[in-house]
Amino acid sequence: DAKTTQPPSMDCAEGRAANLPCNHSTISGNEYVYWYRQIHSQGPQYIIHGLKNNETNEMASLIITEDRKSSTLILPHATLRDTAVYYCIVRVALLSGGSNYKLTFGKGTLLTVNP
Amino acid sequence: GAVVSQHPSWVICKSGTSVKIECRSLDFQATTMFWYRQFPKQSLMLMATSNEGSKATYEQGVEKDKFLINHASLTLSTLTVTSAHPEDSSFYICSARERLQGHEQFFGPGTRLTVL
Repeated sequence: DAKTTQPPSMDCAEGRAANLPCNHSTISGNEYVYWYRQIHSQGPQYIIHGLKNNETNEMASLIITEDRKSSTLILPHATLRDTAVYYCIVRVALLSGGSNYKLTFGKGTLLTVNP
Repeated sequence: GAVVSQHPSWVICKSGTSVKIECRSLDFQATTMFWYRQFPKQSLMLMATSNEGSKATYEQGVEKDKFLINHASLTLSTLTVTSAHPEDSSFYICSARERLQGHEQFFGPGTRLTVL
C-alpha cells in the first residue's frame, strides 16, 4: 500500500487560503489520491480526488506534483466550519482493473481555522 | 452527493449483550459496503468489506464471529456486535459505494457505542 505522510496539525486564519500538504512518495502509476475530511464526531466527507492532473470542484482544489510524489489540498477561503481532520488517502486496488478498492485512513491533519 | 444513513446514532448497552447497527444507502444501490471503527483521537480503522449477497471480508485482527456483518440487500448492511464488552465501545462508521458511482465512497454519520 502506498503510504501518506501529513503534518499532524495546521492553523489557518478565517478567510485565508488553507494549503494542506501530503507526501505519497511510493504511489503507483494507477493509484488515485483522495482527500476526505472529518468534522468532530461525524462521518468522513469526500472532498476531491485526482490521478495526475490538478483538479478543482466547489469545495477545494487539488494540486498534484508532476512526479506524483506529493499533493496539496487548497481550501481557497477557509471558514470556521472547515475546522476538521483532513485525510489524504491513496486508493488501493483490491482487484486488477481498479474497479474494487478500499480506503485506508492515516492520522490526517487537524486543520484549525481561527477567527 | 449520495446519502448514507446509520441507525442508531448512539447506543448504550450492558456488557454481554448484542447490538445491531444498520447502514442504509438512501438514494443509490450499494454493491459494496465497508465498516470502520474509530477510537477517541484515533483514525478510522477498516474492519470489513462486504459485497451484496456474499460473505464479508474481514481485516486482519478483526474477529468475524464477534462482529457479524450482513449485506442482504443493495441498500442495507448490518453490523452486529455480539457479547459486547467495554473495550468494544467505539465510534462505528459505515460506508457505501455503488458500482456505477466509480470513485466516490460515501460515509454514514457514525454510531457511538458505549458498553457499560
